[in-house]
Amino acid sequence: QKEVEQNSGPLSVPEGAIASLNCTYSDRVSQSFFWYRQYSGKSPELIMSIYSNGDKEDGRFTAQLNKASQYVSLLIRDSQPSDSATYLCAVIPNDYKLSFGAGTTVTVRA
Amino acid sequence: KAGVTQTPRYLIKTRGQQVTLSCSPISGHRSVSWYQQTPGQGLQFLFEYFSETQRNKGNFPGRFSGRQFSNSRSEMNVSTLELGDSALYLCASSSGLAITYEQYFGPGTRLTVT
Repeated sequence: QKEVEQNSGPLSVPEGAIASLNCTYSDRVSQSFFWYRQYSGKSPELIMSIYSNGDKEDGRFTAQLNKASQYVSLLIRDSQPSDSATYLCAVIPNDYKLSFGAGTTVTVRA
Repeated sequence: KAGVTQTPRYLIKTRGQQVTLSCSPISGHRSVSWYQQTPGQGLQFLFEYFSETQRNKGNFPGRFSGRQFSNSRSEMNVSTLELGDSALYLCASSSGLAITYEQYFGPGTRLTVT
């Protein structure tokens, strides 16, 4: 079983819609959870971090964490063409190394 | 505040050669992690250095090594290059002081082995 799994893409959404990305992790003691955005040919960019159960909002992005279900998600509201990218879920179990999911590619249709 | 810098940005090497990549973290950050990204394997953790000590290591062969200097700059070395080492090598900078720490990536070094 992979440490971090993301829902398979690609995900295509119309402009202005909500894009919903999901991620599950295997290590129950994981404490830190991150979402990175990676444009084609670029390096990953940190967009959200979440450490406690519940929702965390930052602009059009909302991260949701449920440790009991070992599940973390990212919602992108009012999706824009500039949101078209690969979104990587990352988890720190109990040490200092990030484990990444394979990523979900999002395409926002104008 | 300057971001993470990596040099060189692009590199072409021949099988059997060795290569050294450099990473300068964000000012004040003491942790540098290295990752390999390939289309087939995704992002994989190589190792992490904190205050000049390797604190974590991924599952890569001994041909991959690294070090960190007193100014927190880090280098990664790959010896006896193989075709499969062609990848984007990313370093990430962090304060490294808490389990909740956030990592910020540099632009990466694109290594091509021919």
